[in-house]
Amino acid sequence: AQSVTQLDSQVPVFEEAPVELRCNYSSSVSVYLFWYVQYPNQGLQLLLKYLSGSTLVESINGFEAEFNKSQTSFHLRKPSVHISDTAEYFCAVSWTSGTYKYIFGTGTRLKVLA
Amino acid sequence: GAVVSQHPSWVICKSGTSVKIECRSLDFQATTMFWYRQFPKQSLMLMATSNEGSKATYEQGVEKDKFLINHASLTLSTLTVTSAHPEDSSFYICSARGGPSDTQYFGPGTRLTVL
Repeated sequence: AQSVTQLDSQVPVFEEAPVELRCNYSSSVSVYLFWYVQYPNQGLQLLLKYLSGSTLVESINGFEAEFNKSQTSFHLRKPSVHISDTAEYFCAVSWTSGTYKYIFGTGTRLKVLA
Repeated sequence: GAVVSQHPSWVICKSGTSVKIECRSLDFQATTMFWYRQFPKQSLMLMATSNEGSKATYEQGVEKDKFLINHASLTLSTLTVTSAHPEDSSFYICSARGGPSDTQYFGPGTRLTVL
């Protein structure tokens, strides 16, 4: 069965420090990978995605994630975080064919400290 | 582009009443729409998948008769919570598949509180 694991439920980090949010997945078939961000009482916003091609994907606000097929991981990184990055981050996978359903990880709460 | 709206954003209702939540893709046609439920500080749980003009496919454990889904057009899907009870209180989020990159785009969510 397919699954997504986000090992860290909470990650506190000081402003301007680097951060890595971990995501591992389990699947017997090819997948698409996503990171979404959710601010309090809001829906999900797409941060970045891997569909094919380069394994390193970047977002417009400085986040990046690298698809590692051998380690079945898609960790999210940012070299220098801001207070405004405080939010819940969800990793998700879907399949390259079929219903295109998403399976979400349990989320990681990133708290940036001043 | 690829904007999904939900209405209402927040609703309070009495136990036993029914509540309808709308999900619209504003600038693209959505071949498939999804409905999720999110409990406080938890992840999203997929409730059902709906394709325009056909019956929704519900995930295991989701009551079809309680959560009625209608996908009447390529831009509109509705979720009706029938005979709502306090345990149905939750954050309901829809998503629509389509748009420029054929991925899921999420609505802002609807917070339902049943008294």
